[in-house]
Parts: sequence; C-alpha cells; structure tokens
Amino acid sequence: AQKVTQAQTEISVVEKEDVTLDCVYETRDTTYYLFWYKQPPSGELVFLIRRNSFDEQNEISGRYSWNFQKSTSSFNFTITASQVVDSAVYFCALSPISNFGNEKLTFGTGTRLTIIP
Amino acid sequence: DVKVTQSSRYLVKRTGEKVFLECVQDMDHENMFWYRQDPGLGLRLIYFSYDVKMKEKGDIPEGYSVSREKKERFSLILESASTNQTSMYLCASSLRERYGYTFGSGTRLTVV
Repeated sequence: AQKVTQAQTEISVVEKEDVTLDCVYETRDTTYYLFWYKQPPSGELVFLIRRNSFDEQNEISGRYSWNFQKSTSSFNFTITASQVVDSAVYFCALSPISNFGNEKLTFGTGTRLTIIP
Repeated sequence: DVKVTQSSRYLVKRTGEKVFLECVQDMDHENMFWYRQDPGLGLRLIYFSYDVKMKEKGDIPEGYSVSREKKERFSLILESASTNQTSMYLCASSLRERYGYTFGSGTRLTVV
C-alpha cells in the first residue's frame, strides 16, 4: 500500500520569507514517481513537478526547489522569497511506475500555505 | 493546452436524487479519473478508466458508478445522493505513460 503524509496542515509566513513544505511517503515499489501540485483558490490543481525515484538530484525552478531524499522517503518543497500569489493548498502525490502506463496517484492531505502581505 | 472541463462548478441536489457529474477532456487522453476532496482527507480516488467502456474501482467507490462511452467523456453517477456525498469532486485525465494529471476546476456538490 502507498501512503503520502503531509504533516503540516497549515502554514503562514510573511511575504518574502522562505518556506518549506514537507512530504514523506511510503511505498513498496522500487520505482515510482513523486509529484507536487498547487491548488489556488480557483480550485484547479496545477502540476508543479514530477520526479523519478531513480533521480535524487535536487531541482530548482525559479523560486521553487525540491529536495528528494530516498534514504528518508521525503520529497520536500521550498519556496524562496515567498509571494502572496503562492498562497494555495499544496499536495504531494506518489505513483508507481507500471508497465502499462496506467498510473494511479496517491495524494497527501495537503498543506494550506498563506502568505501574509 | 489540454483542457479538462467539468460541466458544473456548483451543484445543489436533494437527498435521494440521481446525480450526474460530467467531465470532458479535449486531448485524446486514455486515462480519466474521478476524485473527491474533503478537508483533512486530501484527494481520494473514486473510480478511474483506462479506455472506453473500461472502469475500475478506486479507494472509495461505494455509492458511485461511472460511465465512459466515449474517450473524451467520463461521467460520475451518484445513484441516490446522500448528505455524506457533499464534497468537491475533481476530474483528471492523463496520457498513458506520461504520468501526471491534468485536472478540471472541480464541482462543489452539496446534497441537502
């Protein structure tokens, strides 16, 4: 069985502060994908990143960075110099890699991030 | 860009009604999914479909059924709506072997 834990239910930071969203996962699969999605107040989940379990290199995209550590089963997400537009609910998700390409994502419970102007 | 369109943004139905939630995607994706989102529970998979006329149960299929007669359309059916089905319903689609969903904007269903 797969499980994704986002222990932080809500986080509030003042604009321009850095913030890290934690994600811990459990899986018996040896190969898998990890994802982060953003859900702004409009409701539509927006894909942010996908990482393959083979690749533990950290990734940076503008103000966003991701730290994947297989040894601790964690895939944490950091926003640098936060902005009000970053306010949203963020979901971490996990998917096995199947031979058929038919993935099912298991989502965490989400972290509501509020950036205070 | 792929678009996933859910027919209603807000819906209010009475207990016992049969409810249809429609989802259409425009990029020929093989896979389609229905999730419900509840506070503190995240997204939970109700049903999914890998091809036309194919469907599989997700984690919480009780009280729901689905229909996929055409590749682009995936319908979620509440046979007899109950108040505990009040929730946000999210449809998603994906291209086989591409991994990662495209989501619709969601339908907030209230059953009274």
